[in-house]
Amino acid sequence: EPEVTQTPSHQVTQMGQEVILRCVPISNHLYFYWYRQILGQKVEFLVSFYNNEISEKSEIFDDQFSVERPDGSNFTLKIRSTKLEDSAMYFCASTVRGYGYTFGSGTRLTVV
Amino acid sequence: AQSVTQLDSQVPVFEEAPVELRCNYSSSVSVYLFWYVQYPNQGLQLLLKYLSGSTLVKGINGFEAEFNKSQTSFHLRKPSVHISDTAEYFCAVTWNYGGSQGNLIFGKGTKLSVKP
Repeated sequence: EPEVTQTPSHQVTQMGQEVILRCVPISNHLYFYWYRQILGQKVEFLVSFYNNEISEKSEIFDDQFSVERPDGSNFTLKIRSTKLEDSAMYFCASTVRGYGYTFGSGTRLTVV
Repeated sequence: AQSVTQLDSQVPVFEEAPVELRCNYSSSVSVYLFWYVQYPNQGLQLLLKYLSGSTLVKGINGFEAEFNKSQTSFHLRKPSVHISDTAEYFCAVTWNYGGSQGNLIFGKGTKLSVKP
């Protein structure tokens, strides 16, 4: 069964550093998403991406965040200057028009 | 705005007992509904989804859910749980209007704890 692949599985970074979280969505999917889950809390939407541009973003997705699909297969989330409160599990997902979102296994980001 | 409410944050049950995890949603447009399971330290796995058609939806691991439009509910059920079902379960909703694709809105999750 096709999978969404996320790397790395765990990343530790110092506050103020830039991080890039990587995702390889399922190849025939058209919509791509980033969600995050702070420990013990619910999964929150960050951003959706379609046709090489952001289609929707939440209040969480401020100027510190950016997304990119650099080569037609990877989908990345960049956090320019990490804060302690950015520590969370970040999930990538992809879908074809709402017919079932497939999530990756997540990247656990720890900001110290 | 769309929202999802999972009424129970924790549900303890004994092995082989039936379980129902409740989910209610709020939306002014037609919706797609999902249940995801998250095992400890793992990602989100799709259990089942309702897109259209039959209101009773069967998923993996013996789970099923029923879409009730009048009660705006999508409760998850299993007739007999196993220890291995211990996990956190998330209800999620998205909407479809005019062919546009909405993002998923998640409930806060229900932690199912199955005891021997």
